[in-house]
Amino acid sequence: DMKVTQMPRYLIKRMGENVLLECGQDMSHETMYWYRQDPGLGLQLIYISYDVDSNSEGDIPKGYRVSRKKREHFSLILDSAKTNQTSVYFCASSSPRTGGNTLYFGAGTRLSVL
Amino acid sequence: GDSVIQMQGQVTLSENDFLFINCTYSTTGYPTLFWYVQYSGEGPQLLLQVTTANNKGSSRGFEATYDKGTTSFHLQKTSVQEIDSAVYYCAMRDCNMGYKLTFGTGTSLLVDP
Repeated sequence: DMKVTQMPRYLIKRMGENVLLECGQDMSHETMYWYRQDPGLGLQLIYISYDVDSNSEGDIPKGYRVSRKKREHFSLILDSAKTNQTSVYFCASSSPRTGGNTLYFGAGTRLSVL
Repeated sequence: GDSVIQMQGQVTLSENDFLFINCTYSTTGYPTLFWYVQYSGEGPQLLLQVTTANNKGSSRGFEATYDKGTTSFHLQKTSVQEIDSAVYYCAMRDCNMGYKLTFGTGTSLLVDP
């Protein structure tokens, strides 16, 4: 079954706390992504990972970092979260073996930073 | 840099109405264009891919075309149904930029029964 799983689905944190968002996929996809979704802004790319320990900044990487130690897992870390990081975060994966054109998205994590 | 402009933020239609959503893109490379659909409570999923100018892609009754001359691409459906209510995103991948996908801001479609 082709699936991207995000945990947790909902998260409430206080400003200044650290946040860890986790993503897993069962398709052995090499490429994984973190996007955030905000009203009126659509989906913005935070980071892209081409494989284990091969990560590149996206369009809005400031305030975020990522970790990919296994091909099937990709984590997004917010050190000292800020209120403007309240958003819905989506993880996705794709594979160059299938052309790389189809992104498979998880169901998202809704993060509120108070 | 690459960009995708999606002007229609919200569209409300009645069942059996015609749907037309338009996006424009800007890139210095060779784009592959997509439409993704996001249903409530879910992540986006691929609806259509259009790789050749003036050729149509089609899926689930939706059709997509793009015009290289005007750097625009369109999604249309002849007769929408209530189940088509969702957010539709246009997106572009520039082959020179690896696997990065640039999304438009989304069009929220509400179909009244």
